[in-house]
Amino acid sequence: GNSVTQMEGPVTLSEEAFLTINCTYTATGYPSLFWYVQYPGEGLQLLLKATKADDKGSNKGFEATYRKETTSFHLEKGSVQVSDSAVYFCALRRGGGNKLTFGTGTQLKVEL
Amino acid sequence: NAGVTQTPKFQVLKTGQSMTLQCAQDMNHEYMSWYRQDPGMGLRLIHYSVGAGITDQGEVPNGYNVSRSTTEDFPLRLLSAAPSQTSVYFCASSYLKARANTGELFFGEGSRLTVL
Repeated sequence: GNSVTQMEGPVTLSEEAFLTINCTYTATGYPSLFWYVQYPGEGLQLLLKATKADDKGSNKGFEATYRKETTSFHLEKGSVQVSDSAVYFCALRRGGGNKLTFGTGTQLKVEL
Repeated sequence: NAGVTQTPKFQVLKTGQSMTLQCAQDMNHEYMSWYRQDPGMGLRLIHYSVGAGITDQGEVPNGYNVSRSTTEDFPLRLLSAAPSQTSVYFCASSYLKARANTGELFFGEGSRLTVL
């Protein structure tokens, strides 16, 4: 079946540090890949997505590239801010429906 | 901009009690779904619906019922609550028709349920 594996957190960084959150997936064919973010006390919201191999999704300074050869979709940001503190979920969608398979989430804490 | 609205936000139940978590969306989305969020397990799909009158099971449907009598509403019923159902529940919706379907799910703010 489909599955998503994320690095365990929490990840604690100083402001302006470089961020990488690893995500790998298992799925047949060519899934669409997503990163969702959950701020404290809120629901999840879409951060970025990629629908085919070598696509790069980007938003709010975050980027992730769909790597078919390594089945990965790592999230990166060049300079994190305290306001980026949240839980980040990697997810995939396989097929035409909208059932998403989520990873376990990675908590990011950014300190001054 | 109401989006996806869930009620209640917090609920405490005793084992064996029943209750309904309400979910409503005002975006005319065809697709609606319920997830539960547990530490170390991410989000798991409970039930989903692709339109009024159509529901189907997700990954962890046992102990939960759903119905979809209107496009807007998708309530989740716990028939006889158990401590294992202590969790945070999220309702999510999206478009399904190809041209509007970006794959993005729109989430409610969640309902925290504790079963004693």
